Amino acid sequence: ETGVTQTPRHLVMGMTNKKSLKCEQHLGHNAMYWYKQSAKKPLELMFVYNFKEQTENNSVPSRFSPECPNSSHLFLHLHTLQPEDSALYLCASSQGIRGDTQYFGPGTRLTVL
Amino acid sequence: AQKVTQAQTEISVVEKEDVTLDCVYETRDTTYYLFWYKQPPSGELVFLIRRNSFDEQNEISGRYSWNFQKSTSSFNFTITASQVVDSAVYFCALSANFGNEKLTFGTGTRLTIIP
Repeated sequence: ETGVTQTPRHLVMGMTNKKSLKCEQHLGHNAMYWYKQSAKKPLELMFVYNFKEQTENNSVPSRFSPECPNSSHLFLHLHTLQPEDSALYLCASSQGIRGDTQYFGPGTRLTVL
Repeated sequence: AQKVTQAQTEISVVEKEDVTLDCVYETRDTTYYLFWYKQPPSGELVFLIRRNSFDEQNEISGRYSWNFQKSTSSFNFTITASQVVDSAVYFCALSANFGNEKLTFGTGTRLTIIP
């Protein structure tokens, strides 16, 4: 595996389900990110982790819970989501958090019924 | 605060034509980085280029070229002899080196190449 991988690629869940998105980077980077991309909206930064520590929470609702056990893995735990949370969730990584290039994974297409 | 504007929402050109995607940015920092990403229908954001604010030299990579002009705060992207595989959404982005500013994306330009 190379680059940034995300699983699952597609996820359909009900509003009462609990699921998790997984991201793994094979680039030796120190920073990882979650973004949300909704139809016809700009990319929204959700969370930033640098050296496993959360450095940014962009006013994300608590039904989204990130976890970063090490610099290579990032999870997004989902519970009691709303239909408006349906979107493409993108993970990215970079060497540092200021000015360094972010490399993105293929995304998880989430549909909340 | 920093801001990126991509005024062209959608562009369609016939294959083999040249096309330029515009990007205008705003930042108070003197040190910053500009990026272009390509998002094909598969969804993954593909990194194309990173340019720092002290390097105004234009760059060419195959059919792709970038024109960075600090005087007009623009970082435009030109595809020469376009191909159907160039069809995608293209995002311009800005990151400041100092402060708490993260990577700020424009709203993207959807490029369609017509065979």
